[in-house]
Amino acid sequence: AQSVTQLDSQVPVFEEAPVELRCNYSSSVSVYLFWYVQYPNQGLQLLLKYLSGSTLVKGINGFEAEFNKSQTSFHLRKPSVHISDTAEYFCAVSPNTDKLIFGTGTRLQVFP
Amino acid sequence: DAGVIQSPRHEVTEMGQEVTLRCKPISGHNSLFWYRQTMMRGLELLIYFNNNVPIDDSGMPEDRFSAKMPNASFSTLKIQPSEPRDSAVYFCASAPPGGQDTDTQYFGPGTRLTVL
Repeated sequence: AQSVTQLDSQVPVFEEAPVELRCNYSSSVSVYLFWYVQYPNQGLQLLLKYLSGSTLVKGINGFEAEFNKSQTSFHLRKPSVHISDTAEYFCAVSPNTDKLIFGTGTRLQVFP
Repeated sequence: DAGVIQSPRHEVTEMGQEVTLRCKPISGHNSLFWYRQTMMRGLELLIYFNNNVPIDDSGMPEDRFSAKMPNASFSTLKIQPSEPRDSAVYFCASAPPGGQDTDTQYFGPGTRLTVL
């Protein structure tokens, strides 16, 4: 079975600072990896995904993530955050692209 | 495109009442997913359909929950009878057929259910 661990439930950061949101996964088979963002009172929106190929994946809004197979990690990064990045971020894995298994989420709070 | 449409956006009901949540997926998508989001359990997949057929309903909590997809453009999630512990935000998501960004799920805005 697959599982996702997001160790940080909340990450406070000041505007224009860099941020990293951590995601580790567990799986005995190859998986696809995703980051979704949820703005207040909205549904989830895809930020980026890793299916194969380059381990560095670039997404929308200046976010990127790096797939590290040996560490079973898929951490999300942004070099300089904005107030508008305040949201809940979910890491997810899929063994076959039909089903997504989500982590518990990390709330990113950006302060001015 | 209008995106995934869910109704109602908010529902407040009393314990024991029947609740029906509705979802219209994006036109042309052939997979549909129902999720439940709570503070305690996070985001859980309840059931998903492919070409209107239920593929995996292992996440459905109990017999009080049922889901149908009578055609490609409509699905319902029904709770009967409802209980306070069913209070949550319920999301519907859809995904396109294979070879067309099939790995991306598109989420609706959710229905916030409160059972008193």
